[in-house]
Amino acid sequence: AQSVAQPEDQVNVAEGNPLTVKCTYSVSGNPYLFWYVQYPNRGLQFLLKYITGDNLVKGSYGFEAEFNKSQTSFHLKKPSALVSDSALYFCAVRQLSGNTPLVFGKGTRLSVIA
Amino acid sequence: DTAVSQTPKYLVTQMGNDKSIKCEQNLGHDTMYWYKQDSKKFLKIMFSYNNKELIINETVPNRFSPKSPDKAHLNLHINSLELGDSAVYFCASSQDPHRTGTQETQYFGPGTRLLVL
Repeated sequence: AQSVAQPEDQVNVAEGNPLTVKCTYSVSGNPYLFWYVQYPNRGLQFLLKYITGDNLVKGSYGFEAEFNKSQTSFHLKKPSALVSDSALYFCAVRQLSGNTPLVFGKGTRLSVIA
Repeated sequence: DTAVSQTPKYLVTQMGNDKSIKCEQNLGHDTMYWYKQDSKKFLKIMFSYNNKELIINETVPNRFSPKSPDKAHLNLHINSLELGDSAVYFCASSQDPHRTGTQETQYFGPGTRLLVL
């Protein structure tokens, strides 16, 4: 069975500081990994994904994530946070093989304080 | 130029009623999805359709019936609405995730906020 864990319900960061939103996953075999962001009263927006290749993935709005197979992690990072980054962030995983759905974590609320 | 659109945006209705939510995508994708987001923001897939064929049907009550008249549309009909159906329902679309070489990123609609009184 697939699962995703986002251990932090809330992350608070000062503007200009680096931010990390954590994600660990569990799948049988190789994973497809995604990060999405949800602003208030909006749908989910795609940020970045890991399918194969380079473990460091760069995405929209200056975000990046590093796939770590040994730690089964896919943490989202940004070198310098902006107040406008404040939103709800979802990590998602899908098993590479089989007819399996995309499974989302419970979300982490990021608050960037000016 | 909306990629994935849903109507209505808000839906307030009484228990026991039947309602439909419509979804359309203009991305040329052949796979569409319905998700439910509860009050705690937990997001869970309900259905997945590929080329108008039901692929994934998670443990959803049979009061929920998706209908795909064509590849660009996936509507959700809900019979005998219950209080627990109150949530935000998101439609999404992607290329076929099981076809090698496709970009299976899912694109989400703005959501339909359903409130059952």
